[in-house]
Amino acid sequence: DAGVTQSPTHLIKTRGQHVTLRCSPISGHKSVSWYQQVLGQGPQFIFQYYEKEERGRGNFPDRFSARQFPNYSSELNVNALLLGDSALYLCASSPIPGDKSYGYTFGSGTRLTVV
Amino acid sequence: GESVGLHLPTLSVQEGDNSIINCAYSNSASDYFIWYKQESGKGPQFIIDIRSNMDKRQGQRVTVLLNKTVKHLSLQIAATQPGDSAVYFCAENMNDYKLSFGAGTTVTVRA
Repeated sequence: DAGVTQSPTHLIKTRGQHVTLRCSPISGHKSVSWYQQVLGQGPQFIFQYYEKEERGRGNFPDRFSARQFPNYSSELNVNALLLGDSALYLCASSPIPGDKSYGYTFGSGTRLTVV
Repeated sequence: GESVGLHLPTLSVQEGDNSIINCAYSNSASDYFIWYKQESGKGPQFIIDIRSNMDKRQGQRVTVLLNKTVKHLSLQIAATQPGDSAVYFCAENMNDYKLSFGAGTTVTVRA
């Protein structure tokens, strides 16, 4: 079975531009979460979606938005990119939010560099 | 600030020895904890988890201990191997939708 897949794996953007990152959860998983991991730090929670609805949001500005599609895949959008948005963006899936019998499975991430 | 943190940023261990990685948390209401391993260029990989109604849980070569009295979590790796070299994170499940991570401990295995 395929794990959590994210695309693209790497990309470079210029300050002020917009970016869209994509995530496909494990088959059968209905919950997708997004995390930002700055180099040398642990991942920071951005969003969680379940059944196409936002269930939680971290301390990130409104430039960050996301959505979940009927097939449970998800997009993370970031507008007006800043240099500080350079990070590894991780997607995690779980069968349902807070499923303590399974945990959360992460993808390999998208490495975003803003220049 | 973050509610989950690790005691030491780096750990060097001889191949074959046991490793112990520590983690402190501050939210006494947290009821679920996960240890992840992250290798360079990859996403966090699930190692083992534990619920707050347990003190100890064992997996293959790994053991997680939870001390709720002092809000401390540890990961023990038996017979450490070169493939165990990575950054290890403890994560605290908060509010059923969010994982809160510490800064991580870098484990280096010496041959």
